[in-house]
Amino acid sequence: GIQVEQSPPDLILQEGANSTLRCNFSDSVNNLQWFHQNPWGQLINLFYIPSGTKQNGRLSATTVATERYSLLYISSSQTTDSGVYFCAVERGSGTYKYIFGTGTRLKVLA
Amino acid sequence: NAGVTQTPKFQVLKTGQSMTLQCAQDMNHEYMSWYRQDPGMGLRLIHYSVGAGITDQGEVPNGYNVSRSTTEDFPLRLLSAAPSQTSVYFCATRDNLITEAFFGQGTRLTVV
Repeated sequence: GIQVEQSPPDLILQEGANSTLRCNFSDSVNNLQWFHQNPWGQLINLFYIPSGTKQNGRLSATTVATERYSLLYISSSQTTDSGVYFCAVERGSGTYKYIFGTGTRLKVLA
Repeated sequence: NAGVTQTPKFQVLKTGQSMTLQCAQDMNHEYMSWYRQDPGMGLRLIHYSVGAGITDQGEVPNGYNVSRSTTEDFPLRLLSAAPSQTSVYFCATRDNLITEAFFGQGTRLTVV
């Protein structure tokens, strides 16, 4: 099956710093989402981004489907950005099966 | 608009007990699914449904049953709980086009 690898596994930043999180996948995908799991365990949709670039405030994401990777950029990080960031991919059209990476655990220090 | 609602939020079971985790959605989405999340790992698909009356197995289906009698509800049943089923369970929905998934707030289950 398709493999999803995220890097780095852990990241510690000072408030105000920028960061880039990476998601590599081993095969072509039809669908890709980035999620933030906050310290209370809630999964929050960040981006639905099977290809191209999107921005939402301090966060942006780019997926290069032909090269099988996606990047999540966090600028001017805040303590509320702490948590785990997951990418999830869907292999084929209509399979409805998300494969999750193991996540990047981010801690932002005040 | 509540979105995806899971109940209960927390549950402790004894080995061998049965229970049902509830998932309800008000977005009229065709697709619903159950995932489990274990420490240090991403989510793994247990069962999913592409519409009322249709269910199928995911990556880790053993020990779990599902049914889908309505569009709105997709309960997950544990017939005889085992400590290996201690986990956080998430329900998710999507419409029948390829669009983003929405997750409930999770149910933290401990089996002792």
